[in-house]
Amino acid sequence: AQKITQTQPGMFVQEKEAVTLDCTYDTSDQSYGLFWYKQPSSGEMIFLIYQGSYDEQNATEGRYSLNFQKARKSANLVISASQLGDSAMYFCAMRGSNSGYALNFGKGTSLLVTP
Amino acid sequence: AAGVIQSPRHLIKEKRETATLKCYPIPRHDTVYWYQQGPGQDPQFLISFYEKMQSDKGSIPDRFSAQQFSDYHSELNMSSLELGDSALYFCASTVKFSGNTIYFGEGSWLTVV
Repeated sequence: AQKITQTQPGMFVQEKEAVTLDCTYDTSDQSYGLFWYKQPSSGEMIFLIYQGSYDEQNATEGRYSLNFQKARKSANLVISASQLGDSAMYFCAMRGSNSGYALNFGKGTSLLVTP
Repeated sequence: AAGVIQSPRHLIKEKRETATLKCYPIPRHDTVYWYQQGPGQDPQFLISFYEKMQSDKGSIPDRFSAQQFSDYHSELNMSSLELGDSALYFCASTVKFSGNTIYFGEGSWLTVV
């Protein structure tokens, strides 16, 4: 079975600051993928970044980077230079063969960026 | 670039009615997933299709069924609707074994009254 844990229900960050959203996971899969999604209040689920379990480099996509620590089973999302438009719910998710390659989601972290 | 298309975006149904949601995956994606997201909750996996065959089932109620057609579009059929079925329903698509991106549609908001 797979489990994703996001321990921060809500986070605040000031505009232009960096913020880290925590995600830990548990799986018996040897090969798996980790994903982060952004869900604004309008509801759409926006793909942000992906990290494969065998990727040696941490993934980066623009202002988003994924701090992957395999031994600790953590996949934290770092958002640099926060913008007001980053205010949203953020979900960490994982897929692997044990889940039939469907995504399992964490409970999410609500991020509020303040001026 | 083409995205995952879902329709309708919003629908309101009465209890015990039937609803059908449609999903058009990204071209050349071989896998479609359906998810249900209740208010304030994380998305829950319902069912998936790989190359038009049902692949895996999650927490899909027996009142729900789904299929994928020859043109790869998929439909989620929901019958005997209950108030608790009110949710945002997502369709997502990917290339199953090599996809490092799973793209979601904008979702279909279902309200059961």
